[in-house]
Amino acid sequence: QKEVEQNSGPLSVPEGAIASLNCTYSDRGSQSFFWYRQYSGKSPELIMSIYSNGDKEDGRFTAQLNKASQYVSLLIRDSQPSDSATYLCAGHTGGFKTIFGAGTRLFVKA
Amino acid sequence: ETGVTQTPRHLVMGMTNKKSLKCEQHLGHNAMYWYKQSAKKPLELMFVYSLEERVENNSVPSRFSPECPNSSHLFLHLHTLQPEDSALYLCASSQDRLAGGGEQYFGPGTRLTVT
Repeated sequence: QKEVEQNSGPLSVPEGAIASLNCTYSDRGSQSFFWYRQYSGKSPELIMSIYSNGDKEDGRFTAQLNKASQYVSLLIRDSQPSDSATYLCAGHTGGFKTIFGAGTRLFVKA
Repeated sequence: ETGVTQTPRHLVMGMTNKKSLKCEQHLGHNAMYWYKQSAKKPLELMFVYSLEERVENNSVPSRFSPECPNSSHLFLHLHTLQPEDSALYLCASSQDRLAGGGEQYFGPGTRLTVT
């Protein structure tokens, strides 16, 4: 069973801190990875894509990929209460199948 | 209309009813997906269509029947559902299944309750 594993949380951080969200995957054939944000009662929204080892930065978000360790992470700098949501990690092997993790709930305290 | 739209947003149906969920994407994408999302479980891929051809059927019970008449529209026909089918049903679309198939754009979902 190919899986993407995430700690369900909740992860609680104070406003202005760095939130670190982690994800591991079992399928070594996974080539690209994605982070989606899902607010309560809403649908997932794509926030970051990463296709190669290393870091990718976009505003306050940094995605990190380490294929050797089968590990993906998302860092959120200067966390805001509006960042409180569930973050879904997803791995894609090509073709049509994207495997999603169950998500990590993040709570940013004002 | 922009993005991906879904109707209805909420649906309550009995186990003997027949209903359909509709999805429309306004992004010019060439692949469309149905997912089921249950509480505290990962998104479950149900069906994938690429250029109106079904390319993935993830062992979904036959009481769920998809239809894709064109690259912008996707339906999920429901009949004789079970209470455990109650969930959020999400439609998504993507542009390129090889390089960008994981970059999916989701509709708002249909909250389905089976009584």
